[in-house]
Amino acid sequence: NAGVMQNPRHLVRRRGQEARLRCSPMKGHSHVYWYRQLPEEGLKFMVYLQKENIIDESGMPKERFSAEFPKEGPSILRIQQVVRGDSAAYFCASLRQDSGNTIYFGEGSWLTVV
Amino acid sequence: AQKVTQAQTEISVVEKEDVTLDCVYETRDTTYYLFWYKQPPSGELVFLIRRNSFDEQNEISGRYSWNFQKSTSSFNFTITASQVVDSAVYFCALSGGDSNYQLIWGAGTKLIIKP
Repeated sequence: NAGVMQNPRHLVRRRGQEARLRCSPMKGHSHVYWYRQLPEEGLKFMVYLQKENIIDESGMPKERFSAEFPKEGPSILRIQQVVRGDSAAYFCASLRQDSGNTIYFGEGSWLTVV
Repeated sequence: AQKVTQAQTEISVVEKEDVTLDCVYETRDTTYYLFWYKQPPSGELVFLIRRNSFDEQNEISGRYSWNFQKSTSSFNFTITASQVVDSAVYFCALSGGDSNYQLIWGAGTKLIIKP
């Protein structure tokens, strides 16, 4: 699990600011998933990306949220004009297709909107 | 539609007791995977086990064991001789057999082990 690196671990933003969360998958993994965990709730799928492609963004809010996984560099989850309801833990996970469908998570990024 | 139900919101036991966390799932896929993850108070998600739908053998790993029963669509998790360090939220999850490995999560069971 330690192989999936997320930063920052904790982020505080004022309402209306932008939040950028980064995720570097495990070495050799080319699939990245973002999940959101609201307080006292389970995880909810947001988006599934491969390098330079968004495969499934059915869990992403229609506005203010975007995600990318460029050819070089980490995957980035971007939240524009944050609101209090965006306060949550955002988990990134990675998968290597020949690893038998096991998804490994990063340690999470906790966003607090004040 | 796929769904995972963890009916136990919170369980509290005294150390050294055995405890079973229930997980019931719904899916129309014939090939699927079931997972358990642990989320300790520090917040990270720790992978515990993955089971595919064709393997109904029970699994034991130290004090942890899992009972997969397709007939009742259940994948229960038992901790034997619980310890305080087992205190965490435990999530059961399901993924379909196609190339989209979107995990469907249960709401989690908060396990409190009292010394």
